[in-house]
Amino acid sequence: KNEVEQSPQNLTAQEGEFITINCSYSVGISALHWLQQHPGGGIVSLFMLSSGKKKHGRLIATINIQEKHSSLHITASHPRDSAVYICAVREAQNNDMRFGAGTRLTVKP
Amino acid sequence: NAGVTQTPKFQVLKTGQSMTLQCAQDMNHNSMYWYRQDPGMGLRLIYYSASEGTTDKGEVPNGYNVSRLNKREFSLRLESAAPSQTSVYFCASSEYKDRGLADTQYFGPGTRLTVL
Repeated sequence: KNEVEQSPQNLTAQEGEFITINCSYSVGISALHWLQQHPGGGIVSLFMLSSGKKKHGRLIATINIQEKHSSLHITASHPRDSAVYICAVREAQNNDMRFGAGTRLTVKP
Repeated sequence: NAGVTQTPKFQVLKTGQSMTLQCAQDMNHNSMYWYRQDPGMGLRLIYYSASEGTTDKGEVPNGYNVSRLNKREFSLRLESAAPSQTSVYFCASSEYKDRGLADTQYFGPGTRLTVL
């Protein structure tokens, strides 16, 4: 079983919809990251969180340490948001990184 | 700035062949990483280097060797390729001397490797 589970695996939305991607983890962590992988394969860091909430443009990331859960929200989704979104956690015990398998988002015009 | 560059972008090998994947960064970063990405699985760390001349095994190091030639370059070598090494390989770099992801970690475009 993967220490980091993401849901859904695949998500299709219409342009303008509000998107939520979920991440649950089973290990103690010191930080959680959300990454975006473009259709061409390139990976970009979006957020690093250790508590609370962060916002960047139309993207919002939240984390609940007690529940071991994080969400990535996209407001007013656009076709250019189509990508794979990856959740990754940094284990508190040894600083090792554990990555989720990713959520493939497709936003249709 | 080119960021993180990787060569080649695509490669097909026969079982038993060897090859080296090249990675370079021009951001003067201390840490460099090699990951592999397989369908349905998350990225997995193969090797990590905190600085020139130092390397550390990650989660899946078997079948690979690495070399941190200087601060800019970090290469990954497959001595005797196996079909199980068919994957997409990503190199990454970070300012911090840390095997985990830092606040900003920069990834290369990836190398798609197929071993027949």
